[in-house]
Amino acid sequence: GQNIDQPTEMTATEGAIVQINCTYQTSGFNGLFWYQQHAGEAPTFLSYNVLDGLEEKGRFSSFLSRSKGYSYLLLKELQMKDSASYLCAVMDSNYQLIWGAGTKLIIKP
Amino acid sequence: SQTIHQWPATLVQPVGSPLSLECTVEGTSNPNLYWYRQAAGRGLQLLFYSVGIGQISSEVPQNLSASRPQDRQFILSSKKLLLSDSGFYLCAWSAGQEAQPQHFGDGTRLSIL
Repeated sequence: GQNIDQPTEMTATEGAIVQINCTYQTSGFNGLFWYQQHAGEAPTFLSYNVLDGLEEKGRFSSFLSRSKGYSYLLLKELQMKDSASYLCAVMDSNYQLIWGAGTKLIIKP
Repeated sequence: SQTIHQWPATLVQPVGSPLSLECTVEGTSNPNLYWYRQAAGRGLQLLFYSVGIGQISSEVPQNLSASRPQDRQFILSSKKLLLSDSGFYLCAWSAGQEAQPQHFGDGTRLSIL
């Protein structure tokens, strides 16, 4: 079967760095997506990785290792507005997105 | 630029009543369209997707149906709602090419009484 695993909840301090991990087992691989979802709102697209390595976008970076079936989202200089759920999703061989349940990130002052 | 509109934002319906949620996309042609449901504190469940007018794929058996009467219009319907249909419904689009991100509408929060 297809499976995406990410921690249910994480807590971090304002100004710090946090790493949210995602491991996956899917039928084929056509890229991995990270989304941010604030409570009560729709998900918004953050990043896409299809090749191994680190992609940096401002305070947010995403890393992929295809051989390990592993990705992480790195958030630097955390701000209170970063409190949200972060969803990992993998595109399988049929170009369908398989979604993780999301990681709720709580930022404390 | 592309935009996606979904309405209504919230809806309270009695059990057994019909449902119609509408989603439209602007600024692109021949998008892939998706309907998702998200239960409280849970991940996204794909309900339907469409790669073109009149082409609907259903992912889970349920009392919901979807239609795509126009290129950029996607409708989610039910003839008789169940209590278990409560949730947050999200419409999304992606460019027709493969491996493109999905972009979501604001969602409809549906409560069944």
